[in-house]
Amino acid sequence: ETGVTQSPTHLIKTRGQQVTLRCSSQSGHNTVSWYQQALGQGPQFIFQYYREEENGRGNFPPRFSGLQFPNYSSELNVNALELDDSALYLCASRRTAGNSPLHFGNGTRLTVT
Amino acid sequence: GQQLNQSPQSMFIQEGEDVSMNCTSSSIFNTWLWYKQDPGEGPVLLIALYKAGELTSNGRLTAQFGITRKDSFLNISASIPSDVGIYFCAGGSNDYKLSFGAGTTVTVRA
Repeated sequence: ETGVTQSPTHLIKTRGQQVTLRCSSQSGHNTVSWYQQALGQGPQFIFQYYREEENGRGNFPPRFSGLQFPNYSSELNVNALELDDSALYLCASRRTAGNSPLHFGNGTRLTVT
Repeated sequence: GQQLNQSPQSMFIQEGEDVSMNCTSSSIFNTWLWYKQDPGEGPVLLIALYKAGELTSNGRLTAQFGITRKDSFLNISASIPSDVGIYFCAGGSNDYKLSFGAGTTVTVRA
């Protein structure tokens, strides 16, 4: 069973630029979530996608957006990057039915300079 | 910000010791989960709890879902060097959004 995979593993961007991060869900999982983890903190929920639509969002501005594709893979897009966007971005997936916990990928480390 | 209070913030372990950490919240959760995160990796699920009062074990790990649904603890018995890392508690609500604690950093005592 293939786990959650994310790309790229590391990325350096300049303030004001845009970035796209990618995620492939674990096999059999149809719900994907994105989390931001700042250094020394726990992950914070950005949003969740199911059936290619956003169905839950945390306290993040609209410049954070996402997509889910028919094969359940997903993208996180961040526009107008700010220095505070530097963090580890984690993708997680689960099955929608029943008590199915979230399984995380290894994340993309984004540095904004 | 974080809704969960996780303690202790850090701890030192000696091989063979039993260790305990806990998580409290002002909010009720329907699910409690415990994850471990090693440097450069994502959180790995250790134990998932779905029912108030539930006590679940996974090898040397034992976790409980508090009866008030506002707290949980994780015990590690007979610790070994590979137990070092950062442990996170997470509370889940009906929409399955997880709220995480700030983590407990476990280090080997020299």
